[in-house]
Amino acid sequence: DAEITQSPRHKITETGRQVTLACHQTWNHNNMFWYRQDLGHGLRLIHYSYGVHDTNKGEVSDGYSVSRSNTEDLPLTLESAASSQTSVYFCASSEQARNSPLHFGNGTRLTVT
Amino acid sequence: KQEVTQIPAALSVPEGENLVLNCSFTDSAIYNLQWFRQDPGKGLTSLLLIQSSQREQTSGRLNASLDKSSGRSTLYIAASQPGDSATYLCAVIQTGANNLFFGTGTRLTVIP
Repeated sequence: DAEITQSPRHKITETGRQVTLACHQTWNHNNMFWYRQDLGHGLRLIHYSYGVHDTNKGEVSDGYSVSRSNTEDLPLTLESAASSQTSVYFCASSEQARNSPLHFGNGTRLTVT
Repeated sequence: KQEVTQIPAALSVPEGENLVLNCSFTDSAIYNLQWFRQDPGKGLTSLLLIQSSQREQTSGRLNASLDKSSGRSTLYIAASQPGDSATYLCAVIQTGANNLFFGTGTRLTVIP
């Protein structure tokens, strides 16, 4: 079965370090998204991509970057981790940009100390 | 900016009851609305997607309705089961935009 795999599931890092969260999907979807989930805020979009070499900023993109070198992977990089970036991060993909359901990974819980 | 609200934040019902979860949004210019389920420690699973031109969608014991003009959607769950216990989230895509705006969810507990 097709799936989205996120790694690691849990990560603890120190303020100022660079961190990369991995996302790999086997749906062969062109559209991929990164969200963060925080209590009281719901899910908020960080970055998204509509295909190889395409990246776009979402609602809360400051301090984050992504790159899309192939269809399957969209890694999320925190350039210099801050305590405000402690959160649960979800990767998602969809067949169409707007008109098809989103498929989510199981998330990465990141703690910045 | 689109705001999506889900009330109540938590709901407990006895097994077998029919129940309704509510979702409201401030901007009625939406492309579609989706309902998701999230189990603890897991990602979201898409349950139903309603296009803006549709009034409802059904899948098994689930029925979602959409009243775009009033900015409301409901998710009806028939004959609830303990396995339905989860957090349910709704999300909308605005016309002309590509990202989903999520509500904060309703945590449902079905008591055996």
